[in-house]
Amino acid sequence: GAGVSQTPSNKVTEKGKYVELRCDPISGHTALYWYRQSLGQGPEFLIYFQGTGAADDSGLPNDRFFAVRPEGSVSTLKIQRTERGDSAVYLCASSSTGSPSYEQYFGPGTRLTVT
Amino acid sequence: SQQGEEDPQALSIQEGENATMNCSYKTSINNLQWYRQNSGRGLVHLILIRSNEREKHSGRLRVTLDTSKKSSSLLITASRAADTASYFCATGGMDTGRRALTFGSGTRLQVQP
Repeated sequence: GAGVSQTPSNKVTEKGKYVELRCDPISGHTALYWYRQSLGQGPEFLIYFQGTGAADDSGLPNDRFFAVRPEGSVSTLKIQRTERGDSAVYLCASSSTGSPSYEQYFGPGTRLTVT
Repeated sequence: SQQGEEDPQALSIQEGENATMNCSYKTSINNLQWYRQNSGRGLVHLILIRSNEREKHSGRLRVTLDTSKKSSSLLITASRAADTASYFCATGGMDTGRRALTFGSGTRLQVQP
């Protein structure tokens, strides 16, 4: 595709429910990143994939958060037992490993609201 | 955690004026990037400056980097209403395994027509 896409664009869920957020990176980009952005703040790193493997998951806040990228393309961020504090915009980005600039291309985000 | 702070947090100017935003960071870097974000979504990469560069230009954008002060500035000349957005600086660490970006808290720029 032309850019990074994310679905859904908005998700409202009740506290305690399970949610999945999907990211479709730019075709051919081997690196994929998940970030979380709270209102009025900059994005904060969650997890980084190189191919199918999670190369760095140090940003995941706790074990309720998990992400997969089984075929090295589409990624799914999974949040179990959602809490109101999980409400944020979840951003996905991808980049080309061969790029020396490390420029990342961001999707439009999924706005998650936990009621 | 945030890498550093942008200054000012908010800036309102008239169309045609220049806008200057500053960014400070904490760790050693190999490059610093600036991104723009409209309406709380979709960050767009603007410009990257490497640690061995002091100044870089791209169209109406001018970025400076002072590694001794761990600071960078973004100047937008002849601003337009369409420049209204939030602007973030971001760094990747010296650790080559650390590809993730660390963002500042952003400057919200409002350009009045």
